[in-house]
Amino acid sequence: DAKTTQPPSMDCAEGRAANLPCNHSTISGNEYVYWYRQIHSQGPQYIIHGLKNNETNEMASLIITEDRKSSTLILPHATLRDTAVYYCIVRAPNSNSGYALNFGKGTSLLVTP
Amino acid sequence: ETGVTQTPRHLVMGMTNKKSLKCEQHLGHNAMYWYKQSAKKPLELMFVYSLEERVENNSVPSRFSPECPNSSHLFLHLHTLQPEDSALYLCASSQDLKGRKNTEAFFGQGTRLTVV
Repeated sequence: DAKTTQPPSMDCAEGRAANLPCNHSTISGNEYVYWYRQIHSQGPQYIIHGLKNNETNEMASLIITEDRKSSTLILPHATLRDTAVYYCIVRAPNSNSGYALNFGKGTSLLVTP
Repeated sequence: ETGVTQTPRHLVMGMTNKKSLKCEQHLGHNAMYWYKQSAKKPLELMFVYSLEERVENNSVPSRFSPECPNSSHLFLHLHTLQPEDSALYLCASSQDLKGRKNTEAFFGQGTRLTVV
């Protein structure tokens, strides 16, 4: 799986958009970009994933650059409950194991009132 | 509620004790995982089971022994643990689609283990 780089921490005001960047310059053609988050002392929660097209769901939007070397997770209207550690993970389909996710250190997002 | 339930939520055990962590998923998935999260460290994958067979064991000490009796249940048997094994132990499940599009993993709330 390609390595990812994320800023260790970010702040965002409540109600504003939170834009979380992720660099994955060594991504290969068959690797997907996944985003998870982990609220303090809880299990990680899947947010969104994509291959090359931008994706949107009820939680967030994922913008992937045309060269696929970086991506941005957008929380359009951040709330206090969005305070969490956000993980960007790059993974290719693996025929030998079910679904191994290599979590790094992530970005600690603090949403302030 | 993620469909993955872990029990107990908290566990304190002595170094000579034997205990087991339980995970149950109600999602119809065929793959289950144990992760370990120590304080201020990234999540570490411990074991992977796919179709009830262990397919990955990431150099985990033998004092941790997984068991997957069926596709809905996963156990982690613990014996003679050390204080440094204190951590949050997380179970996850997913649908193993070999060679096909990835799916997301669903995590339980974890068991907070303290070894004294």
